[in-house]
Formats: sequence, C-alpha cells, structure tokens
Amino acid sequence: DVKVTQSSRYLVKRTGEKVFLECVQDMDHENMFWYRQDPGLGLRLIYFSYDVKMKEKGDIPEGYSVSREKKERFSLILESASTNQTSMYLCASSLTGNFYNEQFFGPGTRLTVL
Amino acid sequence: QQQVKQSPQSLIVQKGGIPIINCAYENTAFDYFPWYQQFPGKGPALLIAIRPDVSEKKEGRFTISFNKSAKQFSLHIMDSQPGDSATYFCAASIDAGNMLTFGGGTRLMVKP
Repeated sequence: DVKVTQSSRYLVKRTGEKVFLECVQDMDHENMFWYRQDPGLGLRLIYFSYDVKMKEKGDIPEGYSVSREKKERFSLILESASTNQTSMYLCASSLTGNFYNEQFFGPGTRLTVL
Repeated sequence: QQQVKQSPQSLIVQKGGIPIINCAYENTAFDYFPWYQQFPGKGPALLIAIRPDVSEKKEGRFTISFNKSAKQFSLHIMDSQPGDSATYFCAASIDAGNMLTFGGGTRLMVKP
C-alpha cells in the first residue's frame, strides 16, 4: 500500500513565523503535490513537483514556496505565515503514466495561524 | 473562478436512498473525470473515474453518469449506507495528466 505521511496533524503558529510542512511518500512516485482544503472551495493546488529539484506553481502559489531535494520528500514553506493561511494542508503523490491518474493523499495538517 | 463547479455543498439522505452529486466543467479540454471520497481525519482517496468515451460507469453501488454535450457529470450512490457518510470531490484533468482540478466538495450524511 502507498503511504503518504505528513509531519504534523495539527500545528499552531504565530503571524510572521516561518512554517515548514513536511511530506514523505514511500512508493517511489515521481509526482508530489501540495493542496490546501477550505470549506466550499475544495482542494486547491499550491505547488507540484514532477522530479527532484523540479517544481511548478499551481493555482494559489502566493505566500508559499516548496523544496524537493529527495524523491520521497516534498516540503511546503510558508515564509511569513499570515492568518489567511489558516487551513488544512494536504500532500499527495502519484506515479507518472498510471492509467487512473490516481493521487494518493496524506492525512493532512491542520494549520492555525494566530 | 472554479473550473469545476460541484453541487450541492451538503446532502442528507436516509439509509437506502440514492444521493446524487453533480459537477459541471467549463474547459472542454478536460477528458478524465475522477471522484474522490474523504472520511473525517483522512485524506481523499480515489473512488471511481470515467473518461468521456462512455456515458456511464458503474462500480458496485457507485455510478458516474457523464453528459459531454452539457459538460456535466454526476455521482449516484445506490442503496446508500451510513458508512458512505463522507465528503465527495469531483475532479477533472486533461489527458489523464498529473494536474487535477477539484470541485468544491459535497458533505454527505446518510442517516440510519
């Protein structure tokens, strides 16, 4: 079974802090994704990566950056956290060329910025 | 502006009922339409998916209906059970590529 793990289930940070969210997958997937989930807005793509050190902006990259130094690990960075970044953050991974384009999700990190 | 619009936002049905969740898309280049199911405290998981060369796909109690001319697709859950209570997301992608565009989600509650 594919396993995607996220470093924290819950995180509380203060405005202006630098925040790191870590994601690790154990199935050698090329693609990794960061989404934020907000009620009524569904899942919105922040960034994705299709290879080590490669990244592409998603729909809402402003205020975020990412890092992928190893194939299994994808980090989301909030350079200076703001209250409007309070949300559920979901990491996902997928295998290039899989017929169902299936993305495997982690359990999420609920971030609160005070 | 959401490229995939999902309705309703929430839905309550009795056990045995047939909840229907609808999605509409704008981008005619979309050609792959999956549905994801998310239970509380878990990440979403792929439930069922359809490509536009068929108008319907059935897997167990879950059926996707697809109307290409109307740019709409829907999920039907036959004989719904309390264990189906979850949030459902429709999604779309181009050429089954890596990028998925998700709808806003529907929170379904099936009452015993």
